[in-house]
Amino acid sequence: KQEVTQIPAALSVPEGENLVLNCSFTDSAIYNLQWFRQDPGKGLTSLLLIQSSQREQTSGRLNASLDKSSGRSTLYIAASQPGDSATYLCAVRLGNFNKFYFGSGTKLNVKP
Amino acid sequence: DGGITQSPKYLFRKEGQNVTLSCEQNLNHDAMYWYRQDPGQGLRLIYYSQIVNDFQKGDIAEGYSVSREKKESFPLTVTSAQKNPTAFYLCASSVLGIQYFGAGTRLSVL
Repeated sequence: KQEVTQIPAALSVPEGENLVLNCSFTDSAIYNLQWFRQDPGKGLTSLLLIQSSQREQTSGRLNASLDKSSGRSTLYIAASQPGDSATYLCAVRLGNFNKFYFGSGTKLNVKP
Repeated sequence: DGGITQSPKYLFRKEGQNVTLSCEQNLNHDAMYWYRQDPGQGLRLIYYSQIVNDFQKGDIAEGYSVSREKKESFPLTVTSAQKNPTAFYLCASSVLGIQYFGAGTRLSVL
């Protein structure tokens, strides 16, 4: 069974800092990896999707990387803002199965 | 305006009662999912459906039931057999390996 781990569970940084969130998975036979943002009491919003054949994806101040062989992905947030405060979750799709496995998330607080 | 609509936003269940959470999508996606989220935890899969009239149990299906009679609808029933139903429930659909989520239903026990 695929296990997905996110470290740290919580992170507090001052505004303007660059930061890295980590996601690790136990089975490297993934189809893709998706990063989501969740605001309190809300659903999940997709941020970035990396296919298994890709090494990274970028969207604005966000950059996600994928290293399948080591079972790791990172989400880099540049020049953090208070509006970035939320919980960030990663999810992997295993092989050719249409099932997704989620980490427990990193709760980010960006202080003004 | 395409998306996934979950209703109600808040739901209260009495002891011994079955309650049904609604999930409707107009994205024309074949695959749909129900997840449960507890505080500080990730999403756990309850049931999923790859196509109309077919569904499979996820990791925590006990005490829950679903139906998939129409492509756009995937309701979840929380039965009285689910002894700890208080949680945030999320419905999702997927296409080409990408998941899309509704806004969630928060279920509490009276």
